[in-house]
Amino acid sequence: EPEVTQTPSHQVTQMGQEVILRCVPISNHLYFYWYRQILGQKVEFLVSFYNNEISEKSEIFDDQFSVERPDGSNFTLKIRSTKLEDSAMYFCASSETLYQETQYFGPGTRLLVL
Amino acid sequence: GNSVTQMEGPVTLSEEAFLTINCTYTATGYPSLFWYVQYPGEGLQLLLKATKADDKGSNKGFEATYRKETTSFHLEKGSVQVSDSAVYFCAQSGGYQKVTFGTGTKLQVIP
Repeated sequence: EPEVTQTPSHQVTQMGQEVILRCVPISNHLYFYWYRQILGQKVEFLVSFYNNEISEKSEIFDDQFSVERPDGSNFTLKIRSTKLEDSAMYFCASSETLYQETQYFGPGTRLLVL
Repeated sequence: GNSVTQMEGPVTLSEEAFLTINCTYTATGYPSLFWYVQYPGEGLQLLLKATKADDKGSNKGFEATYRKETTSFHLEKGSVQVSDSAVYFCAQSGGYQKVTFGTGTKLQVIP
Protein backbone atom coordinates (compact mmCIF):
# COMPACT_ATOMS: atom_id res chain seq x y z
CA GLU A 1 0.00 0.00 0.00
CA PRO A 2 1.41 3.43 -0.90
CA GLU A 3 2.47 5.55 2.04
CA VAL A 4 3.84 8.94 2.91
CA THR A 5 7.47 8.88 3.98
CA GLN A 6 9.41 11.47 5.95
CA THR A 7 13.09 12.08 6.64
CA PRO A 8 14.80 12.35 8.98
CA SER A 9 12.88 10.53 11.70
CA HIS A 10 14.67 12.58 14.36
CA GLN A 11 16.58 15.84 14.16
CA VAL A 12 18.40 17.76 16.88
CA THR A 13 19.46 21.32 16.16
CA GLN A 14 20.72 24.41 17.91
CA MET A 15 18.46 27.41 18.40
CA GLY A 16 18.82 29.82 15.49
CA GLN A 17 19.81 27.15 12.99
CA GLU A 18 17.86 26.37 9.85
CA VAL A 19 16.28 22.94 9.40
CA ILE A 20 14.65 21.30 6.42
CA LEU A 21 12.19 18.50 6.94
CA ARG A 22 11.51 16.28 3.97
CA CYS A 23 8.47 14.37 2.86
CA VAL A 24 7.61 12.15 -0.08
CA PRO A 25 3.83 12.18 -0.53
CA ILE A 26 1.86 9.39 -2.15
CA SER A 27 2.63 9.56 -5.84
CA ASN A 28 -0.78 10.37 -7.35
CA HIS A 29 -1.75 12.83 -4.62
CA LEU A 30 -2.04 16.49 -5.47
CA TYR A 31 -2.55 18.15 -2.08
CA PHE A 32 0.12 18.32 0.58
CA TYR A 33 0.07 19.41 4.21
CA TRP A 34 2.24 19.95 7.24
CA TYR A 35 1.04 19.56 10.79
CA ARG A 36 2.86 19.66 14.08
CA GLN A 37 2.31 18.11 17.48
CA ILE A 38 4.03 19.60 20.47
CA LEU A 39 4.66 16.88 23.03
CA GLY A 40 1.46 15.96 24.85
CA GLN A 41 -0.69 18.37 22.85
CA LYS A 42 -3.05 18.14 19.93
CA VAL A 43 -2.06 17.91 16.30
CA GLU A 44 -2.16 21.38 14.73
CA PHE A 45 -2.47 22.35 11.08
CA LEU A 46 0.38 24.43 9.68
CA VAL A 47 -0.04 24.74 5.94
CA SER A 48 -1.57 23.23 2.84
CA PHE A 49 -0.02 23.30 -0.63
CA TYR A 50 -1.41 22.71 -4.08
CA ASN A 51 -0.23 23.43 -7.57
CA ASN A 52 3.06 24.81 -6.30
CA GLU A 53 1.61 27.36 -3.99
CA ILE A 54 0.31 27.68 -0.47
CA SER A 55 -3.45 27.41 -0.38
CA GLU A 56 -4.03 27.86 3.33
CA LYS A 57 -1.87 28.50 6.36
CA SER A 58 -2.46 28.82 10.07
CA GLU A 59 -1.37 31.62 12.36
CA ILE A 60 1.47 29.36 13.50
CA PHE A 61 2.97 29.40 10.00
CA ASP A 62 4.79 32.71 10.22
CA ASP A 63 7.66 34.12 8.19
CA GLN A 64 10.21 31.70 9.62
CA PHE A 65 8.44 28.82 7.90
CA SER A 66 8.40 28.02 4.20
CA VAL A 67 7.37 25.09 2.06
CA GLU A 68 8.53 23.94 -1.30
CA ARG A 69 8.08 21.17 -3.80
CA PRO A 70 11.54 21.21 -5.34
CA ASP A 71 10.92 18.32 -7.71
CA GLY A 72 8.17 15.90 -8.67
CA SER A 73 8.34 13.84 -5.53
CA ASN A 74 9.60 15.77 -2.49
CA PHE A 75 7.75 18.27 -0.33
CA THR A 76 9.80 20.18 2.21
CA LEU A 77 9.21 22.32 5.28
CA LYS A 78 11.97 24.80 6.11
CA ILE A 79 12.27 26.50 9.45
CA ARG A 80 14.61 29.42 8.92
CA SER A 81 15.78 30.22 12.45
CA THR A 82 14.61 27.64 14.93
CA LYS A 83 13.35 28.52 18.38
CA LEU A 84 13.04 26.32 21.43
CA GLU A 85 9.26 26.29 21.01
CA ASP A 86 9.61 24.74 17.54
CA SER A 87 10.45 21.45 19.23
CA ALA A 88 7.67 19.13 18.15
CA MET A 89 6.73 16.20 15.97
CA TYR A 90 6.12 17.39 12.41
CA PHE A 91 3.78 15.37 10.24
CA CYS A 92 3.47 15.56 6.50
CA ALA A 93 0.21 14.47 4.88
CA SER A 94 -1.16 14.18 1.38
CA SER A 95 -4.53 13.69 -0.23
CA GLU A 96 -5.67 12.84 -3.70
CA THR A 97 -8.33 15.50 -4.02
CA LEU A 98 -9.42 18.44 -1.94
CA TYR A 99 -12.96 18.28 -0.78
CA GLN A 100 -13.51 15.95 2.18
CA GLU A 101 -10.77 13.66 1.03
CA THR A 102 -8.86 11.53 3.52
CA GLN A 103 -5.41 12.80 4.34
CA TYR A 104 -2.71 10.18 4.76
CA PHE A 105 -0.03 10.98 7.27
CA GLY A 106 3.63 10.16 7.34
CA PRO A 107 5.39 8.77 10.41
CA GLY A 108 6.63 12.20 11.46
CA THR A 109 9.95 13.91 12.16
CA ARG A 110 10.71 14.60 15.79
CA LEU A 111 12.53 17.93 15.98
CA LEU A 112 14.37 18.94 19.12
CA VAL A 113 15.73 22.48 19.35
CA LEU A 114 18.37 23.01 22.01
CA GLY B 1 -14.87 27.81 13.53
CA ASN B 2 -14.72 24.04 13.28
CA SER B 3 -13.72 22.16 16.38
CA VAL B 4 -13.59 18.68 17.84
CA THR B 5 -14.09 17.78 21.48
CA GLN B 6 -13.25 14.37 22.80
CA MET B 7 -13.26 12.84 26.22
CA GLU B 8 -10.28 13.39 28.45
CA GLY B 9 -8.03 10.49 29.14
CA PRO B 10 -6.34 8.44 30.10
CA VAL B 11 -8.78 5.57 29.85
CA THR B 12 -7.65 2.37 31.50
CA LEU B 13 -9.49 -0.85 30.72
CA SER B 14 -8.98 -4.52 31.31
CA GLU B 15 -8.51 -6.76 28.32
CA GLU B 16 -11.83 -7.77 26.69
CA ALA B 17 -13.66 -4.79 28.17
CA PHE B 18 -15.99 -2.62 26.09
CA LEU B 19 -14.55 0.68 24.89
CA THR B 20 -16.29 3.95 24.19
CA ILE B 21 -14.45 7.18 23.48
CA ASN B 22 -16.80 10.10 23.05
CA CYS B 23 -16.32 12.70 20.34
CA THR B 24 -18.45 15.65 19.34
CA TYR B 25 -17.83 18.25 16.70
CA THR B 26 -18.91 21.70 15.63
CA ALA B 27 -18.82 22.58 11.97
CA THR B 28 -20.38 24.63 9.27
CA GLY B 29 -21.59 22.35 6.55
CA TYR B 30 -21.13 18.61 6.51
CA PRO B 31 -17.62 17.52 7.38
CA SER B 32 -16.05 14.14 6.98
CA LEU B 33 -15.20 12.57 10.32
CA PHE B 34 -12.20 10.44 11.20
CA TRP B 35 -10.56 8.49 13.96
CA TYR B 36 -6.78 8.38 13.84
CA VAL B 37 -4.64 6.23 16.12
CA GLN B 38 -1.11 6.90 17.30
CA TYR B 39 0.75 3.94 18.76
CA PRO B 40 3.65 4.69 21.10
CA GLY B 41 6.56 6.22 19.22
CA GLU B 42 4.76 6.14 15.88
CA GLY B 43 2.92 8.50 13.56
CA LEU B 44 -0.77 8.94 12.87
CA GLN B 45 -2.67 6.12 11.24
CA LEU B 46 -6.16 6.42 9.87
CA LEU B 47 -8.35 4.02 11.82
CA LEU B 48 -11.74 4.68 10.24
CA LYS B 49 -13.82 7.38 8.62
CA ALA B 50 -17.36 8.39 7.72
CA THR B 51 -18.24 10.96 5.11
CA LYS B 52 -21.95 11.56 5.62
CA ALA B 53 -24.69 11.34 8.19
CA ASP B 54 -25.57 7.82 9.42
CA ASP B 55 -22.48 6.32 7.82
CA LYS B 56 -20.68 3.82 10.00
CA GLY B 57 -16.92 3.56 9.75
CA SER B 58 -15.31 0.35 10.92
CA ASN B 59 -11.87 -1.22 11.04
CA LYS B 60 -10.07 -3.77 13.24
CA GLY B 61 -13.18 -4.24 15.40
CA PHE B 62 -13.58 -0.49 16.01
CA GLU B 63 -16.74 1.30 14.90
CA ALA B 64 -18.06 4.84 14.86
CA THR B 65 -21.32 6.20 13.47
CA TYR B 66 -21.72 9.71 12.09
CA ARG B 67 -24.63 11.19 14.06
CA LYS B 68 -25.64 14.52 12.59
CA GLU B 69 -28.47 15.10 15.05
CA THR B 70 -26.14 14.90 18.03
CA THR B 71 -22.99 16.06 16.14
CA SER B 72 -21.16 13.04 17.47
CA PHE B 73 -18.81 10.33 16.25
CA HIS B 74 -18.15 8.10 19.24
CA LEU B 75 -15.57 5.33 18.89
CA GLU B 76 -16.51 1.87 20.17
CA LYS B 77 -14.97 -1.56 20.36
CA GLY B 78 -16.61 -4.57 21.90
CA SER B 79 -13.52 -6.25 23.31
CA VAL B 80 -10.23 -4.39 23.61
CA GLN B 81 -6.81 -6.01 23.52
CA VAL B 82 -3.50 -4.96 25.04
CA SER B 83 -2.33 -4.14 21.52
CA ASP B 84 -5.03 -1.45 21.27
CA SER B 85 -3.15 0.68 23.78
CA ALA B 86 -2.53 3.96 21.98
CA VAL B 87 -3.71 7.54 21.68
CA TYR B 88 -6.92 7.98 19.68
CA PHE B 89 -7.68 11.22 17.89
CA CYS B 90 -11.08 12.25 16.63
CA ALA B 91 -10.87 14.61 13.67
CA GLN B 92 -12.92 16.35 11.05
CA SER B 93 -12.23 17.64 7.58
CA GLY B 94 -14.41 20.60 6.87
CA GLY B 95 -14.05 20.55 3.14
CA TYR B 96 -11.37 23.22 3.01
CA GLN B 97 -8.09 21.47 3.30
CA LYS B 98 -7.17 21.24 6.91
CA VAL B 99 -8.01 18.45 9.32
CA THR B 100 -9.01 19.63 12.76
CA PHE B 101 -8.06 17.26 15.54
CA GLY B 102 -9.32 16.70 19.03
CA THR B 103 -6.90 16.63 21.93
CA GLY B 104 -6.52 12.86 21.85
CA THR B 105 -7.52 10.19 24.33
CA LYS B 106 -4.90 7.84 25.68
CA LEU B 107 -6.12 4.28 26.05
CA GLN B 108 -4.27 1.80 28.22
CA VAL B 109 -5.41 -1.81 28.19
CA ILE B 110 -4.11 -4.01 30.97
CA PRO B 111 -3.98 -7.82 30.82
